Amino acid sequence: DGGITQSPKYLFRKEGQNVTLSCEQNLNHDAMYWYRQDPGQGLRLIYYSQIVNDFQKGDIAEGYSVSREKKESFPLTVTSAQKNPTAFYLCASSTQSGQFYNEQFFGPGTRLTVL
Amino acid sequence: GIQVEQSPPDLILQEGANSTLRCNFSDSVNNLQWFHQNPWGQLINLFYIPSGTKQNGRLSATTVATERYSLLYISSSQTTDSGVYFCAVDDYGQNFVFGPGTRLSVLP
Repeated sequence: DGGITQSPKYLFRKEGQNVTLSCEQNLNHDAMYWYRQDPGQGLRLIYYSQIVNDFQKGDIAEGYSVSREKKESFPLTVTSAQKNPTAFYLCASSTQSGQFYNEQFFGPGTRLTVL
Repeated sequence: GIQVEQSPPDLILQEGANSTLRCNFSDSVNNLQWFHQNPWGQLINLFYIPSGTKQNGRLSATTVATERYSLLYISSSQTTDSGVYFCAVDDYGQNFVFGPGTRLSVLP
């Protein structure tokens, strides 16, 4: 059935390590997004991609990197340069109408903890 | 950039009560969505409502774009309605901005 999957559900990382979070969608959506949520807070945009092989920085891109080699996949790498990476990471996708966002749908999220 | 405010920040209800959650935004928006985040963190789409009124069961929403606010109504609340309610707006493709959320607790 159609939807957005994220893996792993929980991830533990040692300081200084890079980790990659997976996001896959089979909704045939052009646009994909990564958000970060800290406890008791709203969501903040890290990166988004409107089309394959193209992506844009959001509000808090420092210390993160992404790729968009396939329409279905938008992996996020949390690098060692990210000073406080412990958070809940959510991936979303949507169709586009020109430059405008249409309704966004979210995956179940990945909880990253740095030990 | 656009600012999004939500009120109240916290709300406690007895089961069966009604409630109204508010979302104010500081500039014109192309789209507005309401979400419910359940205790496991999943964001569930409630309404996609850039303007007008929509209803889905016990929930309804109204957006008055010219006055820059949206309201989410929950009637006959149930314990499963507990969680955090977010509104999010698209300021014409520049960004998709979330409000800080309203935390709802429905007591049995």
